[in-house]
Amino acid sequence: AQSVTQPDIHITVSEGASLELRCNYSYGATPYLFWYVQSPGQGLQLLLKYFSGDTLVQGIKGFEAEFKRSQSSFNLRKPSVHWSDAAEYFCAVGDGTNAGKSTFGDGTTLTVKP
Amino acid sequence: GAGVSQSPSNKVTEKGKDVELRCDPISGHTALYWYRQRLGQGLEFLIYFQGNSAPDKSGLPSDRFSAERTGESVSTLTIQRTQQEDSAVYLCASGLKGGMNTEAFFGQGTRLTVV
Repeated sequence: AQSVTQPDIHITVSEGASLELRCNYSYGATPYLFWYVQSPGQGLQLLLKYFSGDTLVQGIKGFEAEFKRSQSSFNLRKPSVHWSDAAEYFCAVGDGTNAGKSTFGDGTTLTVKP
Repeated sequence: GAGVSQSPSNKVTEKGKDVELRCDPISGHTALYWYRQRLGQGLEFLIYFQGNSAPDKSGLPSDRFSAERTGESVSTLTIQRTQQEDSAVYLCASGLKGGMNTEAFFGQGTRLTVV
């Protein structure tokens, strides 16, 4: 069965600093990987996704993620964090046939210090 | 609004009562998903509807949980004889179609508290 691990429950960074959120997955075949953001009072929003091809994926709001098959990782990065990026971030792996039917990690809460 | 709409936004119910949660998907979206999010945890897939096909119920945790959807319209998630462990946020999402190229658009969820 597929699984997703987000090792960091909570991360705090200063505004303007770089950010990396870790995600490790377990999946038997080529994974379909997603990052979502959940802001207070808002629904989940898709930041980016990886299906195939270039292993460095660009998303919305200046985020990117890199798929590394050898490390079973799909870490999310942003070069300069803004206060509005404070939110909870979820990594997910699709079941191979249906992007909406995914297994989610437990999430990482990002706090941004002024 | 063009987004996924869920109602109620909050629901407090007594243990043993039945509850119904409603989801209005984005117009034209044939795929609809229900997820459960317990406090401090990620989302757990519950059920998936695609058009008029038989739903994928593989994530429903017990027979107390059921969901209906008529065609490509509103869906209702019903929890019978609620238990305290059912307390969670229930999220609905819809997509243009199922499959790997579908982006799921999420509603803001219904926060269910069983007391």
